Amino acid sequence: DGGITQSPKYLFRKEGQNVTLSCEQNLNHDAMYWYRQDPGQGLRLIYYSQIVNDFQKGDIAEGYSVSREKKESFPLTVTSAQKNPTAFYLCASSTRAYNEQFFGPGTRLTVL
Amino acid sequence: AQSVTQLDSQVPVFEEAPVELRCNYSSSVSVYLFWYVQYPNQGLQLLLKYLSGSTLVKGINGFEAEFNKSQTSFHLRKPSVHISDTAEYFCAVRAGGGADGLTFGKGTHLIIQP
Repeated sequence: DGGITQSPKYLFRKEGQNVTLSCEQNLNHDAMYWYRQDPGQGLRLIYYSQIVNDFQKGDIAEGYSVSREKKESFPLTVTSAQKNPTAFYLCASSTRAYNEQFFGPGTRLTVL
Repeated sequence: AQSVTQLDSQVPVFEEAPVELRCNYSSSVSVYLFWYVQYPNQGLQLLLKYLSGSTLVKGINGFEAEFNKSQTSFHLRKPSVHISDTAEYFCAVRAGGGADGLTFGKGTHLIIQP
């Protein structure tokens, strides 16, 4: 089945550690996205990539980094510079033609 | 830049009653509009979308929405809700075409009461 995989589902880290969240898609989509969700805040765009080896900052990119070395993969690193990293992180992908975005199941990150 | 306002953070409704979840947007260019549903601790699932054409859009699970350009609204409706419709609903907008990110509202929690 085609879809988006995010791993792990739950992630715990100590304050000051970098952590990388995985996102893989087998939908052959060109564009991929990372969003952060906080209670009562909706989703906010962190980074997006429209093509391999290229990505753009979203609205809240500070403290995060990404790479796009393969079409299928778009990992997100939450660095120690991110002041409040505890949140639910959602990865999505889309084709340019259809505009709608397909979402993965999410990773809940808790920083202790 | 565009923005989305979901006017109600929570909407309680009795089972089998009709419901309307309100969404208003602002944008200086033409937009594409979406409604997504999220069940607890899961990702988002697309309910319906407006790209162009008919302003009344039908989606999955019996939901529909009407695009009103003059009122910059895209309200979501269902004539008869079921207990399984309890979830968080998000309205989202994208300006024009391309592959930029979506701008989301803060969500409306639909609570179905038996």
